[in-house]
Amino acid sequence: GAGVSQSPSNKVTEKGKDVELRCDPISGHTALYWYRQSLGQGLEFLIYFQGNSAPDKSGLPSDRFSAERTGGSVSTLTIQRTQQEDSAVYLCASSLVRAQANYGYTFGSGTRLTVV
Amino acid sequence: GQNIDQPTEMTATEGAIVQINCTYQTSGFNGLFWYQQHAGEAPTFLSYNVLDGLEEKGRFSSFLSRSKGYSYLLLKELQMKDSASYLCAVNNFNKFYFGSGTKLNVKP
Repeated sequence: GAGVSQSPSNKVTEKGKDVELRCDPISGHTALYWYRQSLGQGLEFLIYFQGNSAPDKSGLPSDRFSAERTGGSVSTLTIQRTQQEDSAVYLCASSLVRAQANYGYTFGSGTRLTVV
Repeated sequence: GQNIDQPTEMTATEGAIVQINCTYQTSGFNGLFWYQQHAGEAPTFLSYNVLDGLEEKGRFSSFLSRSKGYSYLLLKELQMKDSASYLCAVNNFNKFYFGSGTKLNVKP
C-alpha cells in the first residue's frame, strides 16, 4: 500500500486478556519497527525486524510481549495477559533496509490500546 | 544508556521564530532526526543531520553539533498549524531513541 497500515486503530480490552496488533508496512520496505508511546511520553523502542535476520527484541518490556513478521511483510505484536500499564499507542514504522537520510521512517497511525 | 533531552513545552506567536533544543548522550550515533507529531496522529519526518552544521528546508532548519551532543530545530514564520509536538530522535545503529518531545503552542 501507499503507507504503513495498522489495525485496529483503537482497542479496548479487559485486564488479563491477550491482544494482537497488526502492522502492514510499505511494500518493499525490509525494515519494520514497533514503538510504544504512553500519554505525554516519547516513543519507546520495542522490536526491530530486518529482512530475514533475527529480530532485535531488546526493547520488549516483558515476556508478555512478542512479535512476529511473516513473509518479510506483515507483522503482529502480541501482548499476553494485558495489564493497565500496557495502555498506550503502539506505533509501527517501516523503512528501506535501514532508515534513510532523506526520510527516516514512515510511521503508521498507530493502535490506541486501552486496558480496563 | 541513551539519554535525549528536550524542553517539555514552548509557546510562541504566529509569525515569530522559535528554536527547540535537543541534547543527547547515546552509545552510538548514526544521525539525528526531527519529527513533527500532531495530537492523535503519527510522527512525520521533518529533517535529518549527520554532519555538523545547519540543514535548511523551507521554514524549518536543523542544526547539529556532534562534539556537544546538541541539536536544535528552528521554525521561522510560525503558523497556527505548526502547533504540534516536535520529537528529537537519535539513530543508533538502526534503532531510534526518541526524546519525550516538545509541545509547541502557537498563539495568534
